[in-house]
Amino acid sequence: GQNIDQPTEMTATEGAIVQINCTYQTSGFNGLFWYQQHAGEAPTFLSYNVLDGLEEKGRFSSFLSRSKGYSYLLLKELQMKDSASYLCAAMDSNYQLIWGAGTKLIIKP
Amino acid sequence: IAGITQAPTSQILAAGRRMTLRCTQDMRHNAMYWYRQDLGLGLRLIHYSNTAGTTGKGEVPDGYSVSRANTDDFPLTLASAVPSQTSVYFCASSDSSLAGDYNEQFFGPGTRLTVL
Repeated sequence: GQNIDQPTEMTATEGAIVQINCTYQTSGFNGLFWYQQHAGEAPTFLSYNVLDGLEEKGRFSSFLSRSKGYSYLLLKELQMKDSASYLCAAMDSNYQLIWGAGTKLIIKP
Repeated sequence: IAGITQAPTSQILAAGRRMTLRCTQDMRHNAMYWYRQDLGLGLRLIHYSNTAGTTGKGEVPDGYSVSRANTDDFPLTLASAVPSQTSVYFCASSDSSLAGDYNEQFFGPGTRLTVL
């Protein structure tokens, strides 16, 4: 079957760095997405990886290892506004997204 | 309109009633999707449409139907609502779902539906 695993909740301190891990098992693989979702709002796109390695975009970076079925999202210089849920999604062979349940990130001052 | 709009924002519905959730996008995206989001679960795909005139079933299609008469609109209908359909419903669109294409999805603001 298809499955995405990510931690349910994480806590970090303002100004620090946090890494949110995601493992995936899909029928075929056409890329890994990360989305941010603030409470009561719609998900918004953060990053896309299809090749192994690290993609950096400002304070956010995303890493992919296709051989390990593993990705992580790295958030640096955490700000209070980064408190949100972070959704990992893998694209399968039918080009449909399989979503994880999301990681709720709590930022403390 | 800018992006994707959904209506209504929220709705309380009696079980057994028929309900249509509306979704409209102005980005001329060819692919559109309907998801439901429940606490503790990931977004689950209900139905999708790769282009106007075509639709397909997702992971949880039972009890729902869709139509795609034109590029912009993708309504979701619950023929006879049941309490298990209580959820937050998100409509999304993307520029393409074709092989080899980058498939970032843009989401509407969601409809919070309660079936009693």
